[in-house]
Amino acid sequence: EVQLVESGGGLVQPGGSLRLSCAASGFTFSSYWMHWVRQAPGKGLVWVSRITSDGSATSYADSVKGRFTISRDNAGNTLYLQMNSLRAEDTAIYYCATGNSHAFEIWGQGTMVTVSP
Amino acid sequence: QSALTQPPSASGSPGQSVTISCTGTSSDVGGYNYVSWYQQHPGKAPKLMIYEVSSRPSGVPDRFSGSKSDNTASLTVSGLQAEDEADYYCSSYAGSNNWIFGGGTKLTVL
Repeated sequence: EVQLVESGGGLVQPGGSLRLSCAASGFTFSSYWMHWVRQAPGKGLVWVSRITSDGSATSYADSVKGRFTISRDNAGNTLYLQMNSLRAEDTAIYYCATGNSHAFEIWGQGTMVTVSP
Repeated sequence: QSALTQPPSASGSPGQSVTISCTGTSSDVGGYNYVSWYQQHPGKAPKLMIYEVSSRPSGVPDRFSGSKSDNTASLTVSGLQAEDEADYYCSSYAGSNNWIFGGGTKLTVL
């Protein structure tokens, strides 16, 4: 079964850090670009970051550039998002998704990140 | 970069057709044939319904179709069914390895 499972979310204080993980199974993880997409409570989807299949190139939304770092471990079939200097406006469900033809093909169930004092 | 513009809501009766628009600019929707559409039921993860403007992934009913004209893309749902009631989001490649979503449209089946 093709599956993405996120973990690592939780409650963190403003200015703090958190590392999200996304475990992939049922497909050849190393062949796919991967993305993080977030959704604030009651709001729409927002693209956050992308990494190429071999991890050689990354890109970020302006709102997280310089604070978030995307990475991957193809041997372990895992995607990561290191989030530093967290702000209240980063509060959201964070989804990982496979990238295929500039679309987000397979989605995980999401992990909730809450930034609050 | 501002989000793509979608109507907040749309509705139709069972069996009818409804079209949801998604307006961007020549830098995103109008510049690339990489518009995709997602269905999201409450509390669930989004699901890819349309990619590359009008292509359907395996398993998506052919009641769902997509098109594009200039800077506006559209998703049409024909033969509306109760299970089609959900939020729908468009997305477009925006160049320079960036992607952008629309604000979402809540589809109600009357």
